Amino acid sequence: SAVISQKPSRDICQRGTSLTIQCQVDSQVTMMFWYRQQPGQSLTLIATANQGSEATYESGFVIDKFPISRPNLTFSTLTVSNMSPEDSSIYLCSAGRRELGTDTQYFGPGTRLTVL
Amino acid sequence: KNEVEQSPQNLTAQEGEFITINCSYSVGISALHWLQQHPGGGIVSLFMLSSGKKKHGRLIATINIQEKHSSLHITASHPRDSAVYICAVRRTSGSRLTFGEGTQLTVNP
Repeated sequence: SAVISQKPSRDICQRGTSLTIQCQVDSQVTMMFWYRQQPGQSLTLIATANQGSEATYESGFVIDKFPISRPNLTFSTLTVSNMSPEDSSIYLCSAGRRELGTDTQYFGPGTRLTVL
Repeated sequence: KNEVEQSPQNLTAQEGEFITINCSYSVGISALHWLQQHPGGGIVSLFMLSSGKKKHGRLIATINIQEKHSSLHITASHPRDSAVYICAVRRTSGSRLTFGEGTQLTVNP
């Protein structure tokens, strides 16, 4: 199994500022993802974090707004840039392993972001 | 139409009741996941299914690949089971998960 930790767990930020969320996995994983969950809604994939290369962003999400780093197989960061109240959400880091017929998905505890 | 549909959207039960949550999907999949999200936001993976049935404690999950349908059952429900239950599928042709809208379950004592 894998345990994912995220920092910070929550934050209240001012409009126009940026916040970097850290995601640490306690073992090596092949895939890491960042999701956003707006109030009352299900999860929306922001991007797949690729080790050592640029992240793969989903439609509607761009690197300038959500820069992502993944320097190794256990760590990734997501930055929410130039925040507005519409960015208030839970941001979840997720990691996956797909090998030898298994498909395992792990989720972090989430970062609850409020933008004033 | 969403690729993953869950029903019901909201479910209220009395402690001890048998609960069923349904998930239907419209794409070819390699795996289906059932997830549990508590009010704090953290998500726990309950099951991964590619065929058949799995059981863990009071939870049972089944999948019918031909009918593109899965069910999550909770036997002898308890207030601590109150959470949002989310169905997610991984397409055969990709690495991303597609999520259902979730089912809010409330179990009253």
